[in-house]
Amino acid sequence: GDSVTQMEGPVTLSEEAFLTINCTYTATGYPSLFWYVQYPGEGLQLLLKATKADDKGSNKGFEATYRKETTSFHLEKGSVQVSDSAVYFCALSATSYDKVIFGPGTSLSVIP
Amino acid sequence: DGGITQSPKYLFRKEGQNVTLSCEQNLNHDAMYWYRQDPGQGLRLIYYSQIVNDFQKGDIAEGYSVSREKKESFPLTVTSAQKNPTAFYLCASSSVRGTEAFFGQGTRLTVV
Repeated sequence: GDSVTQMEGPVTLSEEAFLTINCTYTATGYPSLFWYVQYPGEGLQLLLKATKADDKGSNKGFEATYRKETTSFHLEKGSVQVSDSAVYFCALSATSYDKVIFGPGTSLSVIP
Repeated sequence: DGGITQSPKYLFRKEGQNVTLSCEQNLNHDAMYWYRQDPGQGLRLIYYSQIVNDFQKGDIAEGYSVSREKKESFPLTVTSAQKNPTAFYLCASSSVRGTEAFFGQGTRLTVV
């Protein structure tokens, strides 16, 4: 079935380091792709999205490009801050689905 | 402001008691979802509903029940049959298939 795979965490980075969190997906159709962020004790917030191949989603310095040829949607940020410490979830959805499919999440800790 | 409201934020119950978690949305979304999240874990789908008066079991429905009598409300009951109910519960909604889900702030249930 359709699924989302993310890199294993936890990931620990120093402040101002470059961040990449890998996400690959398996889907039979043409899904929309999403990144969500979850801060401790809170619900998930939509961080960015892309709805078709080669689209780039961006928000708060984070970016991800929908790569159909590699079925990937990797999250990147050029310079992380301590406030970026959270769990990041990659997800997909399509009109043929009746629910959003989430990856397992990747925990990020940024140290000063 | 439109959004999803979960209440209460923290809930304590004695073992063997049923408890109902509230989820209300004013986004006019058709679809609503309940997820369970255990510490350091991803999301597991409990129940979802695409339309009023209809709902489907997710991956871990045993020991839970839901109703969808109104479009804006999707309460979750954790019954005494749920073996390990202590967890963080998240409610979400989405407008149409293929679009992102919006989340509430979660309810942390502790059974003592």
